[in-house]
Amino acid sequence: EAQVTQNPRYLITVTGKKLTVTCSQNMNHEYMSWYRQDPGLGLRQIYYSMNVEVTDKGDVPEGYKVSRKEKRNFPLILESPSPNQTSLYFCASTDRDYSPLHFGNGTRLTVT
Amino acid sequence: GIQVEQSPPDLILQEGANSTLRCNFSDSVNNLQWFHQNPWGQLINLFYIPSGTKQNGRLSATTVATERYSLLYISSSQTTDSGVYFCAVDGNQGGKLIFGQGTELSVKP
Repeated sequence: EAQVTQNPRYLITVTGKKLTVTCSQNMNHEYMSWYRQDPGLGLRQIYYSMNVEVTDKGDVPEGYKVSRKEKRNFPLILESPSPNQTSLYFCASTDRDYSPLHFGNGTRLTVT
Repeated sequence: GIQVEQSPPDLILQEGANSTLRCNFSDSVNNLQWFHQNPWGQLINLFYIPSGTKQNGRLSATTVATERYSLLYISSSQTTDSGVYFCAVDGNQGGKLIFGQGTELSVKP
């Protein structure tokens, strides 16, 4: 089944404790992206990647890192999480040209 | 950057009613997509529609790129249509996708 898989689905952590949210897609998509969703602010893009070893900042990249060492994986890294990074996070992928965006099921992160 | 505005922000319907959701964007776009976020938080792609009209069952969408808007039509609404509908555009920024604020739809039985 074609899908984008995020893990974990739920995560509660404390300020400053490094964490990684994994994202994997099995559709051989070139493009992958991370979004955060907050009440009243909608979905905002954090980082995106057009291909392996190519990453670019979205609208809200501060406090996040990403890597794209292989095509299927695009992990989101929070080196020192803070409470303002409490949010619902989505990973997505697409072929880019004339292709819809496929989302993972989301990761709800709480930083205390 | 591109501004994306959706209207109405909220909509309450009786089951069986029809509705039209609108998405306005401030500049030319490479693509436009509509998504449905169900009450469990899942985001499902409904349409990839940079221009023209598409239909999928009770849903259809039309994008008039020259006038910078897109419409999503829902006919004979069902309670399972409840959730938030987002449009998103890619505005020639090499991968940046901009989402509207969404329309929250509630369909009552």
